[in-house]
Amino acid sequence: GQQLNQSPQSMFIQEGEDVSMNCTSSSIFNTWLWYKQDPGEGPVLLIALYKAGELTSNGRLTAQFGITRKDSFLNISASIPSDVGIYFCAGQLPGNNDMRFGAGTRLTVKP
Amino acid sequence: DADVTQTPRNRITKTGKRIMLECSQTKGHDRMYWYRQDPGLGLRLIYYSFDVKDINKGEISDGYSVSRQAQAKFSLSLESAIPNQTALYFCATSDWGPSGISGTQYFGPGTRLTVL
Repeated sequence: GQQLNQSPQSMFIQEGEDVSMNCTSSSIFNTWLWYKQDPGEGPVLLIALYKAGELTSNGRLTAQFGITRKDSFLNISASIPSDVGIYFCAGQLPGNNDMRFGAGTRLTVKP
Repeated sequence: DADVTQTPRNRITKTGKRIMLECSQTKGHDRMYWYRQDPGLGLRLIYYSFDVKDINKGEISDGYSVSRQAQAKFSLSLESAIPNQTALYFCATSDWGPSGISGTQYFGPGTRLTVL
């Protein structure tokens, strides 16, 4: 019940295309976070969302905290080759503040 | 210099051996975390600590122990390593975020552990 279902698992797109990925859960989360992980590195935070309905942008990235607090999406516009990597959603549970991570979306961008 | 460092970066060991992974941070954060990452499973929380005297079990704490030696140091131990503990291990830190929930987590570069 506290697991995050992240989709899609992988994406292969052409440079310049837009990308959308999402996470859903049957549980409510207080915070939604989106991270990117490059090979051999730890995850790096892209966007943090703290309120239901919040829509936040960071350059070409836009993410939203779902109204039900059970989902979030991340959009990347006009993709470029350096967008390649694994994107993880993460949610923070009410009460104990434990974090749960999605399984990741592996993005490949073809020049 | 990196804000969150982990040592070693890579380790190969044998079943039954005791292993310690170390994490240090210069961010001045009170909160520290240990995660493991397995292919297709994302990151799973092992243990976390909100200050030097505070230790909490995470989602998958069995087979692991931790020690918070100082605000800046948080070590993870495998008392008797087994092959299914082969994984990528990440340390993370955070400060206090809005309304008392944890703030942004900053991750170390990871330790790749292989148990034969």
